[in-house]
Amino acid sequence: GENVEQHPSTLSVQEGDSAVIKCTYSDSASNYFPWYKQELGKRPQLIIDIRSNVGEKKDQRIAVTLNKTAKHFSLHITETQPEDSAVYFCAALNSGYSTLTFGKGTMLLVSP
Amino acid sequence: DTAVSQTPKYLVTQMGNDKSIKCEQNLGHDTMYWYKQDSKKFLKIMFSYNNKELIINETVPNRFSPKSPDKAHLNLHINSLELGDSAVYFCASSQDRQPQHFGDGTRLSIL
Repeated sequence: GENVEQHPSTLSVQEGDSAVIKCTYSDSASNYFPWYKQELGKRPQLIIDIRSNVGEKKDQRIAVTLNKTAKHFSLHITETQPEDSAVYFCAALNSGYSTLTFGKGTMLLVSP
Repeated sequence: DTAVSQTPKYLVTQMGNDKSIKCEQNLGHDTMYWYKQDSKKFLKIMFSYNNKELIINETVPNRFSPKSPDKAHLNLHINSLELGDSAVYFCASSQDRQPQHFGDGTRLSIL
């Protein structure tokens, strides 16, 4: 089955800095990669996603890049703000099914 | 309008009891899921279900069973609860491999 590795497990940055979270996946047939943000005590919420026919996607301060050859994808957050503090999960969609395999999460702390 | 709603929000019970968590989605999605999030925040798929098939994560004990009375509902039944079952359980839904939408979670605590 699919295996998703996510790094780092914790990330502390100063407000205004950039943050990068990296994930690798094992199933070369996976073709959909969403990122979720989970604030304390709340549900995971989709913030951005990318499909395997695209190399990069941007939405305001958030961008995701995908390298299919290397089987890794990354989340980039620019001009971080304290409200960006949360746990971020990457995921990969298993080929042939609709089940997502999640990374173990990155706790991002943005200090004012 | 909550897209994916699950009840109860909190569930505190004794070891050995049987309990159920309900989930309903009003998005018209064809697939529903149950996830377990443990104390380390790791999200693990337990079940995936649409009107055609049930996909079970083989690591899930058979004390856990999903039941779907119709396309919009997927309930989770847990028999003989154990201490290790304490976690937050999330229901989710999706359509045609589109992004999954999560419910607000049910925090299960076993005494």
